[in-house]
Amino acid sequence: GAVVSQHPSWVICKSGTSVKIECRSLDFQATTMFWYRQFPKQSLMLMATSNEGSKATYEQGVEKDKFLINHASLTLSTLTVTSAHPEDSSFYICSAKFTEAFFGQGTRLTVV
Amino acid sequence: AQKVTQAQTEISVVEKEDVTLDCVYETRDTTYYLFWYKQPPSGELVFLIRRNSFDEQNEISGRYSWNFQKSTSSFNFTITASQVVDSAVYFCALRRINFGNEKLTFGTGTRLTIIP
Repeated sequence: GAVVSQHPSWVICKSGTSVKIECRSLDFQATTMFWYRQFPKQSLMLMATSNEGSKATYEQGVEKDKFLINHASLTLSTLTVTSAHPEDSSFYICSAKFTEAFFGQGTRLTVV
Repeated sequence: AQKVTQAQTEISVVEKEDVTLDCVYETRDTTYYLFWYKQPPSGELVFLIRRNSFDEQNEISGRYSWNFQKSTSSFNFTITASQVVDSAVYFCALRRINFGNEKLTFGTGTRLTIIP
C-alpha cells in the first residue's frame, strides 16, 4: 500500500521559534498533499491543500504567513509553523493523494 | 456545504460483542465518496473503506461491515466479535468526486473502547 511518512513524530519548542514538519510519500508521487490540525479529542480540520510547484490553498481562517507550506517536489511537502506560540500546540497530520488519501503518522507539537 | 455527524462520542463494549458506529452526512452533491478511517492511540489515520454514492451495496470485510443507505444519508460501520485491538477513534468522512477538489470533511469521531 501507499506509505506516507511524517517527521518528526513529536517536537517541543520554545515560544517564538519556528518548527518545520516534513511529509513524504515514500512509494508514490503526490501532486497534492493536505495538512490537517487536530485538537485533543476533536476532529481533523483541514488547514491547507499543498500543490506541487504552486502556492498552497489555505482554508478560511488559517494564517498563511504563520503556517508556511512548501511542496517543492512530488514526494515532499513541508509545513513550517513560524513564531510558534502555546496556542499552536496541536497534532498536525498530513495526507497525500494516491488512489485514496493516505495519512502520515502525525506530529505532536508542544510549544512551551 | 458538507457536514458529517457522528453522534456517538464514546462507546465501550465488552470483547466479542458486536458494535455499530453511526455516521450521518449532509451534502448537496449528487455524487460523492464516503470513508471510514481508524485512528489508533499512535495517531496515524488508517484507511478502512471508500464507498461511492452510486453504489448502495453493503460491504463486508472480515469482521467489518458497512451499511450505506442513501435514503437516510447514513453510512454505518459494524464490527462483529470485537477485539481489544479494535480500540481506537473512528472517523467517518465525505468528499466530492470531482478531480481537484478532494479535501475530506470529517466527522467528530467516535472513541471505541473494547473491554477485555
